[in-house]
Amino acid sequence: DTEVTQTPKHLVMGMTNKKSLKCEQHMGHRAMYWYKQKAKKPPELMFVYSYEKLSINESVPSRFSPECPNSSLLNLHLHALQPEDSALYLCASSQEQASYEQYFGPGTRLTVT
Amino acid sequence: ILNVEQSPQSLHVQEGDSTNFTCSFPSSNFYALHWYRWETAKSPEALFVMTLNGDEKKKGRISATLNTKEGYSYLYIKGSQPEDSATYLCAPHQAGTALIFGKGTTLSVSS
Repeated sequence: DTEVTQTPKHLVMGMTNKKSLKCEQHMGHRAMYWYKQKAKKPPELMFVYSYEKLSINESVPSRFSPECPNSSLLNLHLHALQPEDSALYLCASSQEQASYEQYFGPGTRLTVT
Repeated sequence: ILNVEQSPQSLHVQEGDSTNFTCSFPSSNFYALHWYRWETAKSPEALFVMTLNGDEKKKGRISATLNTKEGYSYLYIKGSQPEDSATYLCAPHQAGTALIFGKGTTLSVSS
């Protein structure tokens, strides 16, 4: 199984809502990532988890809160988002947080109204 | 912030043409360079991970070379096919950091 799954595929939320994005992989990878991708731009790294511990936070606003409950799951909790946070959120995983290829999920298309 | 440059920004070729594009990055503290292929409405797909100066990797008609001393990598596609149409992203990373993606080269192959 070389698949990274993400749910939901699409999400529309208001600025006062709280929602969560979920990501799952069963490849035994120990590094997992959240990226934000705006139209016509490359993915921008948000967070990296390595062995279930937050390894990198690229100065992401606190309205985005990541969580790694176990080695297969990665969540992104959303609260009080702004319309400019509307984007495609991609999850990825790799064997280790090093020079290993990353496997990307299909993404969650988020719209903040 | 790691400065990654990819050129050209976009490219249109005919089926059967061979093509190549460039990724430039700072050579200091180099750790690895990734190439990804990203088709519209799909997830990025890893092509190569390269770590050593002089590395050459090949997957079918696609190959890549790496020069870590001068800070560049070339991606070659031999005999382009319409299914090669995609955006090709390079992503270097320095020791102790995560990947930084370039803006990509968008390839369009017409039959």
